[in-house]
Amino acid sequence: GAVVSQHPSRVICKSGTSVKIECRSLDFQATTMFWYRQFPKQSLMLMATSNEGSKATYEQGVEKDKFLINHASLTLSTLTVTSAHPEDSSFYICSARDNWHSNQPQHFGDGTRLSIL
Amino acid sequence: GENVEQHPSTLSVQEGDSAVIKCTYSDSASNYFPWYKQELGKGPQLIIDIRSNVGEKKDQRIAVTLNKTAKHFSLHITETQPEDSAVYFCAASGANQAGTALIFGKGTTLSVSS
Repeated sequence: GAVVSQHPSRVICKSGTSVKIECRSLDFQATTMFWYRQFPKQSLMLMATSNEGSKATYEQGVEKDKFLINHASLTLSTLTVTSAHPEDSSFYICSARDNWHSNQPQHFGDGTRLSIL
Repeated sequence: GENVEQHPSTLSVQEGDSAVIKCTYSDSASNYFPWYKQELGKGPQLIIDIRSNVGEKKDQRIAVTLNKTAKHFSLHITETQPEDSAVYFCAASGANQAGTALIFGKGTTLSVSS
């Protein structure tokens, strides 16, 4: 079945560091991928919609210069948290859907646990 | 925009009992309603979904019902097992199209005790 791979699964780094998270659709193509953030014991909050070959669409309150999104191919989207600070510590999850077949569900990666010291 | 409410936030049942989780949505244009199960430290896994042209769907011990008029949908798990313990999220979106993101409810922590 459709699989979304996310890497790395865990990052621990110092404040001020930039961190890149990759999201890949392994056996299907996705013109659109989604990035969510989840704080402990809370729901998934949509951060942005990643569009292949064009600019990402950010949700209200999400800084586009802080969370850089690149969707350079039909199987890869990256999220870069720039100059990360402790308040950016969270669980980041991406999702994607097979665009070539109708009525396909969204599949999620296993998330990236980001801890900023 | 869409808003999804989910109840209860926590649910404890005995093994073998049934569990029901309910969600309501606000946008009448939404027509796709998936349910996800999330285990600790992992991403959500789709367990069942329903589209607005269907009122009920069942997959073994799991069923989902949809009432478009009332704008609510429910997840039913029968014969619960300890391995069903997890956080369950309902979601809604307008048409299962490429550019439409899912809007999630706040989640239900289900605990099944043996």
